[in-house]
Amino acid sequence: AQKITQTQPGMFVQEKEAVTLDCTYDTSDQSYGLFWYKQPSSGEMIFLIYQGSYDEQNATEGRYSLNFQKARKSANLVISASQLGDSAMYFCAMREGLRAGGTSYGKLTFGQGTILTVHP
Amino acid sequence: EAQVTQNPRYLITVTGKKLTVTCSQNMNHEYMSWYRQDPGLGLRQIYYSMNVEVTDKGDVPEGYKVSRKEKRNFPLILESPSPNQTSLYFCASSLSVRRTDTQYFGPGTRLTVL
Repeated sequence: AQKITQTQPGMFVQEKEAVTLDCTYDTSDQSYGLFWYKQPSSGEMIFLIYQGSYDEQNATEGRYSLNFQKARKSANLVISASQLGDSAMYFCAMREGLRAGGTSYGKLTFGQGTILTVHP
Repeated sequence: EAQVTQNPRYLITVTGKKLTVTCSQNMNHEYMSWYRQDPGLGLRQIYYSMNVEVTDKGDVPEGYKVSRKEKRNFPLILESPSPNQTSLYFCASSLSVRRTDTQYFGPGTRLTVL
């Protein structure tokens, strides 16, 4: 079973509008971290925002916010006022407890990503 | 500036020629990790290190070696590269192994093995 599912292979948004990128996850841990990264065409992985499983408030970082619904196991990224420079691949990732899968400590498990294109 | 650096950024080599990709971080992070990114397979962890002299296998360790002699450096070694190791490689680091710690990534190394 996929631990991180991003169901939108591609999304389009008009400049200055808001867009939501979906992410659902699967874990039996009570404590975990959820992260979003941006990968522009140049290839680097840029950290955007973090949400802890025990955080009661949704995380926000500038134009980025995370719509965290724990019971539904979803952690959607909302980008407000989209800019042309937001065009990129976006990855949702999860970091579980120390015994994630029993094989690796501290790794990030990534979804398949969503390609966001911002139109002028 | 706090950062993770990798060198080289681009490398084309031939099968069997040993190579090393260096990774260095200046944030005094304990945890370091290598990932590879392949189309359709996403990012997968190769090796990780929880501290100096402590390394362990990730999900896809075959064909790779690592070492952690100093806290800041975590080189990835391909003793005998093969074409199936053509990939985009990322080094990442975080303060510790805790699930709340953000992993920061280096700029990536595009490796082509002919």
